Amino acid sequence: DAGVIQSPRHEVTEMGQEVTLRCKPISGHNSLFWYRQTMMRGLELLIYFNNNVPIDDSGMPEDRFSAKMPNASFSTLKIQPSEPRDSAVYFCASSSRTSGADTQYFGPGTRLTVL
Amino acid sequence: GDSVTQMEGPVTLSEEAFLTINCTYTATGYPSLFWYVQYPGEGLQLLLKATKADDKGSNKGFEATYRKETTSFHLEKGSVQVSDSAVYFCALRSSSNTGKLIFGQGTTLQVKP
Repeated sequence: DAGVIQSPRHEVTEMGQEVTLRCKPISGHNSLFWYRQTMMRGLELLIYFNNNVPIDDSGMPEDRFSAKMPNASFSTLKIQPSEPRDSAVYFCASSSRTSGADTQYFGPGTRLTVL
Repeated sequence: GDSVTQMEGPVTLSEEAFLTINCTYTATGYPSLFWYVQYPGEGLQLLLKATKADDKGSNKGFEATYRKETTSFHLEKGSVQVSDSAVYFCALRSSSNTGKLIFGQGTTLQVKP
C-alpha cells in the first residue's frame, strides 16, 4: 500500500514568493492533518480536515497560510508571501476511524527553506 | 487545555542498556495515548498505543502502560540497539476530540555501540 505522499520533498525559495505544498492521503482515509516542525517550536498542528471539510485551523499562523482539500485524495498548503521564519519541515498525515484509535500515518515531509 | 510533557533529551545510552522515557499528560475524560518515533529524515511512525487505563501498548520490544492514577505513559525498552536512535514523541487524543493529536516536545535518543 502506498503511504501518504508529499511533494515536493525539498523546496528552496526566496522571501516573498508563493509556495505550494501538496499531499495525497492514504486511500480511504477521511481525516487529513498538516503539521509544521521546527527546532524552536517542535511539532505544531496547523489545520485538519474531516471528510474534506476544515475542522480546526486555529494553528494556522496567519493569513499568509491557507489550506484546501478539494477532494478526498488531495490537499494543498499554500504560503503567500513566504518569509524566512516559515522555514521548517511540513508534514501531512491521514487517518481513518477504521484504522483503529485514529492512528495517524505521516508522510515523509517537505523541507522548506525560505531565503 | 490538554497537554503532554516529556522528559528533556538528549538521552544517550550504550547498546543493551535499559531505556525509560517519561511522559505525563493533562486531559479531561479518558484520552487515548500514543508513542510515535521519528528516524532521521523521515516522518513520524506510530510505535505503540493504549486506549484505556491499565492498557499496555507494545511493539518492537518497546512497552508503555497507561497509568491514569499518575497520568503517565512512560516508554520502556529492556535492551536498546543502535538502530533505536531516533526522536520519540508522546501524544494524546482527547476523548472529546474528532481526531486531533496533542504531541509532546519529543525526546532524542542516541544509542552508542
